[in-house]
Amino acid sequence: QLQLQESGPGLVKPSETLSLTCTVSGGSISSSSYYWGWIRQPPGKGLEWIGTIYYSGSTYYNPSLKNRVTISVDTSRNQFSLKVTSVTAADTAMFYCARHPPNLYYMDVWGKGTTVTVSS
Amino acid sequence: EIVLTQSPGTLSLSPGERATLSCRASQSVTSSYLAWYQQKPGQALRLLIYGASSRATGIPDRFSGSGSGTDFTLTISRLEPEDAAVYYCQQYGGSPLFTFGPGTKVDIK
Repeated sequence: QLQLQESGPGLVKPSETLSLTCTVSGGSISSSSYYWGWIRQPPGKGLEWIGTIYYSGSTYYNPSLKNRVTISVDTSRNQFSLKVTSVTAADTAMFYCARHPPNLYYMDVWGKGTTVTVSS
Repeated sequence: EIVLTQSPGTLSLSPGERATLSCRASQSVTSSYLAWYQQKPGQALRLLIYGASSRATGIPDRFSGSGSGTDFTLTISRLEPEDAAVYYCQQYGGSPLFTFGPGTKVDIK
């Protein structure tokens, strides 16, 4: 059964770079034309899509974050990663990684999420 | 941007009752591009419905989706205690590529 697990620092200082990794187990990140995405949820708020990557490296980003976000994939480690630069308190959130099916229309498998707090 | 609005904000019902959750889009959404998710504290989000009306793998048949254009509905026909959760609709298309509604919280009395 496919599982996704987010990992990374739980605390990041303002103006620094937030870095998270999603490890995929129970399946290959480069198989069957799936896409892989990041979504965040600030405390007490709704879900916001951050961006999505194909195993080949093609990316799609939310325009509201595009200038600060980079998503990459490491097929040898079966992982994909998120970097957000110049973070502020507004970037404090639960971050989820998820899989999209080949048609990209939704997210069919999610990780449990990891909390990131931006604070000095 | 396609904005999704969900109503009601909170629904409080008894086990066995029917829950009707609404998702309204600011512009027309292709049915294939509309999905519903369930979120419980401490658990991964769970895909319930995709393509507006197709149940995801392992989802009980008491969950059903319907609608088209700008109005979509998630129905839970007979509420179980484990259905207490927040439910989100999501659409694909436009810019940004994915947007979510603000969620409907379902409480079981």
